[in-house]
Amino acid sequence: NAGVTQTPKFQVLKTGQSMTLQCAQDMNHEYMSWYRQDPGMGLRLIHYSVGAGITDQGEVPNGYNVSRSTTEDFPLRLLSAAPSQTSVYFCASSYSGTERNSPLHFGNGTRLTVT
Amino acid sequence: AQSVAQPEDQVNVAEGNPLTVKCTYSVSGNPYLFWYVQYPNRGLQFLLKYITGDNLVKGSYGFEAEFNKSQTSFHLKKPSALVSDSALYFCAVRALLGLTFGKGTHLIIQP
Repeated sequence: NAGVTQTPKFQVLKTGQSMTLQCAQDMNHEYMSWYRQDPGMGLRLIHYSVGAGITDQGEVPNGYNVSRSTTEDFPLRLLSAAPSQTSVYFCASSYSGTERNSPLHFGNGTRLTVT
Repeated sequence: AQSVAQPEDQVNVAEGNPLTVKCTYSVSGNPYLFWYVQYPNRGLQFLLKYITGDNLVKGSYGFEAEFNKSQTSFHLKKPSALVSDSALYFCAVRALLGLTFGKGTHLIIQP
């Protein structure tokens, strides 16, 4: 039971570099999402997807792109990294995107530092 | 728009004593409320949820939460704290977009 798998666990980027944070789930969940966690701010939703081929913006989408070509994978792309994107990033999935009683299952996070 | 407030950054409790971690919410319509726990360098783990029905909800690791509609609160409780309960706790409300989280409360259980 892998659940939600995120890679890498740690990453250091220079300003202006690009990278992709990987997220995969093996629970056949419809809904997948990306959050960032910053001290004293809780978790904020970046992008989400309610199924393959469907993505939408969350609360803080600027500077990030996503795609959902398969049910299992939901990569997060940083196009041109900025120090303000230094954060811990969590991928989360749930059985349904429309049923609000579905709890989210979280990966263990990617700690990103942009210098 | 929905919101969640956790008024305490940190709660200190002696081992064996009861604990309460406070949460209030603001949402239009029926609330779908959740509690999550985060241990160091780990993702969030689901503890319990309130959807409808009994105001006292039981969850994992002996935790429970009390839903109070008139006070728009959803406080997390445990009758007897363990040192291993020390962690960061998040209250959240579910909307169609996803979860809206509070800022988190550090729970410290002292031996």
